[in-house]
Order: sequence, then C-alpha cells, then structure tokens
Amino acid sequence: GEEVAQTPKHLVRGEGQKAKLYCAPIKGHSYVFWYQQVLKNEFKFLISFQNENVFDETGMPKERFSAKCLPNSPCSLEIQATKLEDSAVYFCASSQSEGSQETQYFGPGTRLLVL
Amino acid sequence: GDSVTQMEGPVTLSEEAFLTINCTYTATGYPSLFWYVQYPGEGLQLLLKATKADDKGSNKGFEATYRKETTSFHLEKGSVQVSDSAVYFCALIRIGGYQKVTFGTGTKLQVIP
Repeated sequence: GEEVAQTPKHLVRGEGQKAKLYCAPIKGHSYVFWYQQVLKNEFKFLISFQNENVFDETGMPKERFSAKCLPNSPCSLEIQATKLEDSAVYFCASSQSEGSQETQYFGPGTRLLVL
Repeated sequence: GDSVTQMEGPVTLSEEAFLTINCTYTATGYPSLFWYVQYPGEGLQLLLKATKADDKGSNKGFEATYRKETTSFHLEKGSVQVSDSAVYFCALIRIGGYQKVTFGTGTKLQVIP
C-alpha cells in the first residue's frame, strides 16, 4: 500500500498478558523499523529489519520483546508478560533502501495500555 | 552518539504570527535532517527534509535550512494557523549507520485564534 498500516490502533492488556502488534510497510520498502514513544514524547528505537532479516536489534529488551518480518505477512512485535512500563505508543516505519538515508515513513501507531 | 536538541515548549502563538522552533544536532559525518509533525491523537507525518549542507526543505509554508557550520536545522513559518497546532520533532538519520532515526524531544505548538 501507499501508507504504513498498523493494527490494532489501541490495545489494553493486564499486567503479565501478551501483546502482539502488527505492521504492514509501504509496498516496495525493504526496511522496517519499530519505535516506542513513551511519556514526554521520547522516542526509543527498538529494532529494524531488512526484508525478513534483523538489521539492528540494539534497542530491544530481549527478555520479553520479540519481532518478526516474514515474507507475505505483516511484520509483528510481540511483548510477552507485559509490564506497566510497556504502556506506550508503538510506531512502525518503513524506508526504501540502505545507506542512502532514505526517509522513514511512519504508521499511525498502536497505543498499548497495560493495567 | 548522535543527538538532537530542540527548544523546550510549549510555544503559544497567535494566529498569523511568525514561528521559529530551534533545532541543533550532534552527529558523525553528514546526516540527513528532518522535521516530523504529530497532530493530536495521530501518528508522525514527515513535514520536510534536507540531505546536505545549505539545502532548504519546505512544505505547507514551513521551511528549514541545513546549516552545517552551526549544526542547526531551525523550523520557520511566516504565518501560523490554528491548524498548525501540533508537536514538532526535529530528527536526523546518520549516513552509513543503521538508519534508525534520532529524534529530538519534540516542541508543542499551540496557535490561538
């Protein structure tokens, strides 16, 4: 598609429950990025993919967070055993190519609330 | 590491006033610079970008010039409207790196009629 699509728009989970977020990048874009926006507008980079391969996962809290981008499927970000501090807006972005500083286009975000 | 510093908000202006939101950066090499805008309850939209020194990005009446000598990318608009009320994020992507975006902390703009 022409825009990055993210589902669901809102997600409410009890502490300890699993949360799974989905992202469909713009058609033809080979890079996908996940960011977490917490209080006071701070953005934290989580992970990036080049097609289905992890490109950079330096921002991922690996003990509870995992992500995948499989061929012909939306990318996903999964949080096992959510904690209160996972409450945030999770943004997905996509871009076209490597090394040439291509612009990242962002989806509308998934607002996760952990109670 | 890379960093982006924006002026603290909120910024409150009357309609038709002149807007400047300051942004400076620290990065290795020559990054590309961006302004993104987030309207209330919505996602991030690309507002404008510049990829090399002295480039001027412009869109919807907003402008920003890539100043390498002062490592700055200040956002300006000559006459703001109520519909410009949003949070504005300055950002960079470093060349040759992993392409993750480094964001500033955002500046909230409120335009009153």
